[in-house]
Amino acid sequence: SQKIEQNSEALNIQEGKTATLTCNYTNYSPAYLQWYRQDPGRGPVFLLLIRENEKEKRKERLKVTFDTTLKQSLFHITASQPADSATYLCALNTGGFKTIFGAGTRLFVKA
Amino acid sequence: NAGVMQNPRHLVRRRGQEARLRCSPMKGHSHVYWYRQLPEEGLKFMVYLQKENIIDESGMPKERFSAEFPKEGPSILRIQQVVRGDSAAYFCASSRNRDRGPETQYFGPGTRLLVL
Repeated sequence: SQKIEQNSEALNIQEGKTATLTCNYTNYSPAYLQWYRQDPGRGPVFLLLIRENEKEKRKERLKVTFDTTLKQSLFHITASQPADSATYLCALNTGGFKTIFGAGTRLFVKA
Repeated sequence: NAGVMQNPRHLVRRRGQEARLRCSPMKGHSHVYWYRQLPEEGLKFMVYLQKENIIDESGMPKERFSAEFPKEGPSILRIQQVVRGDSAAYFCASSRNRDRGPETQYFGPGTRLLVL
């Protein structure tokens, strides 16, 4: 069956460190993959999109990698800040209309 | 430039009543998506609409749920005869178009439905 898996346990890191979140998928061949941020009581906010033929994408302190062989994407936040604390969602699109979301990983950055 | 608007933000219904959730997409966006989110779970795709057309409703329950996006006015997600299991956050997202490949979806703040 098709699955998207993100770390269900919260990730706790110290301010200034790099946070790394993982998204693994099975039985999908995504055309592209996206990462969103969601704060409590709010809708998701788009962060980055990476296509199947791209290995890495960067935006300011954010970096996403996409390994279609391992069927995995890694999402990095460098020099993390308490304001980065949120839930981060991985989402796949196989080229059709449907976007499939993971359950998200909660990140807590301690000052 | 206002973002995606959803109302109401919170909705309480008793079992058997109807729930109507409204979504106004961002200006210039003609594509609307509805998702449902249960606590500690990911967003589950429900339906994708363009103006006056349902393009993909494969995530919609077969009964009691319907969606529309009329030529004028907001998109409506309608749940008839609500049951407790319908309690969830319902998010709407919009995008400009899909003709040129992947399009970023912009999400509204959601409607939290509670069925008593």
